[in-house]
Amino acid sequence: QLHLQESGPGLLKPSETLSLTCTVSGGSISSSNHYWGWIRQPPGKGLEWIGNIYSIGNTYYNPSLKSRVTISVDTSRNQFSLELRSVTAPDTALYYCARVYLRKFEPWGQGTLVTVSS
Amino acid sequence: QSALTQPASVSGSPGQSITISCTGTSTDIGAFDSVSWYQQHPDKAPKLMIYDVSHRPSGVSNRFSASKSGNTASLTISGLQAEDEADYYCSSYTTSPTHVFGTGTKVTVL
Repeated sequence: QLHLQESGPGLLKPSETLSLTCTVSGGSISSSNHYWGWIRQPPGKGLEWIGNIYSIGNTYYNPSLKSRVTISVDTSRNQFSLELRSVTAPDTALYYCARVYLRKFEPWGQGTLVTVSS
Repeated sequence: QSALTQPASVSGSPGQSITISCTGTSTDIGAFDSVSWYQQHPDKAPKLMIYDVSHRPSGVSNRFSASKSGNTASLTISGLQAEDEADYYCSSYTTSPTHVFGTGTKVTVL
């Protein structure tokens, strides 16, 4: 059964770079037609799609975040990563990773809370 | 891209049916049969309930059904149960190509 687990620092200062990793177990990150995505949820608010990556590196980003986001993949470690530059308080959120298969998000990781505060 | 529009809240009594709408545009919901619905209980990760407009994953109750007409998708929960109380989000693939989520609907079982 596929399992995803997010990891990374939980507290950042404004202007720093958020770096999170999602480790995939129970399946290969190189599986055909499988994309891998990041979604975030500010406290008490709704879901926001951040972006997707395919195992060979094709990326797709939310236009509102595109200038600050990079998603990368490490097939040797079965991991994919999120980098969000120049964070501010509004970037405080629960960050989820998920498999994106045939345009649906499933399964999801448990999420990791990232707080931006001086 | 703008979030898909959902009602902030919907409520119903046990056993009743409720419907949640999700309104988008011709570049997302109207463009593809790639609408999915997610259930999120407090402090839990979202769970896929419906994909490709109306298909249920294995293990999801058949009390959950969904459809689409034009730029609007709908999720219906029939025989409402206490365990259905949660937040529900729609999502659609877009022509950009990107994904967009709905604003979310809090379902309350009275």
